[in-house]
Amino acid sequence: AQKVTQAQTEISVVEKEDVTLDCVYETRDTTYYLFWYKQPPSGELVFLIRRNSFDEQNEISGRYSWNFQKSTSSFNFTITASQVVDSAVYFCALTVNSGYSTLTFGKGTMLLVSP
Amino acid sequence: DVKVTQSSRYLVKRTGEKVFLECVQDMDHENMFWYRQDPGLGLRLIYFSYDVKMKEKGDIPEGYSVSREKKERFSLILESASTNQTSMYLCASRLTSRLYEQYFGPGTRLTVT
Repeated sequence: AQKVTQAQTEISVVEKEDVTLDCVYETRDTTYYLFWYKQPPSGELVFLIRRNSFDEQNEISGRYSWNFQKSTSSFNFTITASQVVDSAVYFCALTVNSGYSTLTFGKGTMLLVSP
Repeated sequence: DVKVTQSSRYLVKRTGEKVFLECVQDMDHENMFWYRQDPGLGLRLIYFSYDVKMKEKGDIPEGYSVSREKKERFSLILESASTNQTSMYLCASRLTSRLYEQYFGPGTRLTVT
């Protein structure tokens, strides 16, 4: 069975601060995929990134960056110079590459960015 | 572009009513999913379907049933809606061969009064 833990329930920052959202996962499979999704107040789930277990290279996309470390089973997400529009709930998720595996989600971290 | 649509964005129903939530995808995906999302609980899988007429229980199937008569459509049914089923419901689909690529619908906010 897979498990995803997002220990931070809610984070509040002021605009322009950097913020890191933590994600720790558990799986016995060697081939798996990790994801981050954003859910703004509208409710729609927005895909941000996917990483497979064989690619530990960190990724940067504009103000967003992701740090994948297999040694600590973590896939953390950093927003640099946060903006009010970053306010949302962020979900980390995991699926393994076998059978009809389904996505396992963390409970989400609500990020509030105030002006 | 893959499109997953849900029949309603917002829905208000009364306790005891039978409720149908419809999900349609236009990319010939074999697998379809229904999740509910509640604050602090993340997304939890209710039911999924590998293919037409096939269904599997997810983590929280109690109080729900599903129907998949056609490949593009996956319906979630609340036989007798209760207030604790007030939630955001999200549908998703994917190809069996690309299980790492799941597409989500816009969600339906259901309120049961």
